[in-house]
Amino acid sequence: DARVTQTPRHKVTEMGQEVTMRCQPILGHNTVFWYRQTMMQGLELLAYFRNRAPLDDSGMPKDRFSAEMPDATLATLKIQPSEPRDSAVYFCASGSGGSGANVLTFGAGSRLTVL
Amino acid sequence: GQSLEQPSEVTAVEGAIVQINCTYQTSGFYGLSWYQQHDGGAPTFLSYNGLDGLEETGRFSSFLSRSDSYGYLLLQELQMKDSASYFCAYGSSNTGKLIFGQGTTLQVKP
Repeated sequence: DARVTQTPRHKVTEMGQEVTMRCQPILGHNTVFWYRQTMMQGLELLAYFRNRAPLDDSGMPKDRFSAEMPDATLATLKIQPSEPRDSAVYFCASGSGGSGANVLTFGAGSRLTVL
Repeated sequence: GQSLEQPSEVTAVEGAIVQINCTYQTSGFYGLSWYQQHDGGAPTFLSYNGLDGLEETGRFSSFLSRSDSYGYLLLQELQMKDSASYFCAYGSSNTGKLIFGQGTTLQVKP
């Protein structure tokens, strides 16, 4: 089965450190999403790419978060500097199709703990 | 603004039928999807409604009424393994992004 691969699966770091999360979308999928999940906020959209171009990152704190897609096989989400409130599970998801891609395949998630 | 509303929790017994409702408010609506997420797992796609009406996939069905900005997920013959969180999500034709509701936690009891 084709799958979305995320690394690392777990990350514990100290406040102020840089965190980079990586995602390998399913080959042939042209949309990539980053979501953050906490108990309080549900699944919160952080960034969205189509054909590697960033289309929407309005949900992302711009001062510390950045998302890139250097090539079709890699998407990255970086937090610098990290803060305890960033502790959450970060999911990457990919999909195919035009606007309003509704069928996404999610990765297993990266659980981040910032102390 | 853009939003989705769904109940936070639902409880039902094994073998029963349960309906999880979802209402939405958005401009540029493309379709309504449903995802299932077990504790500690990733969301997985269940069903999609691009047009009004009912879509059936085994024990699960999903319904959409665009005129009422309303949809639901119907789970029949509930099993213990159906205990999970269920999210409705809409696709925006304006931006192409997929926005999720807060999720409904379903507890199936013996």
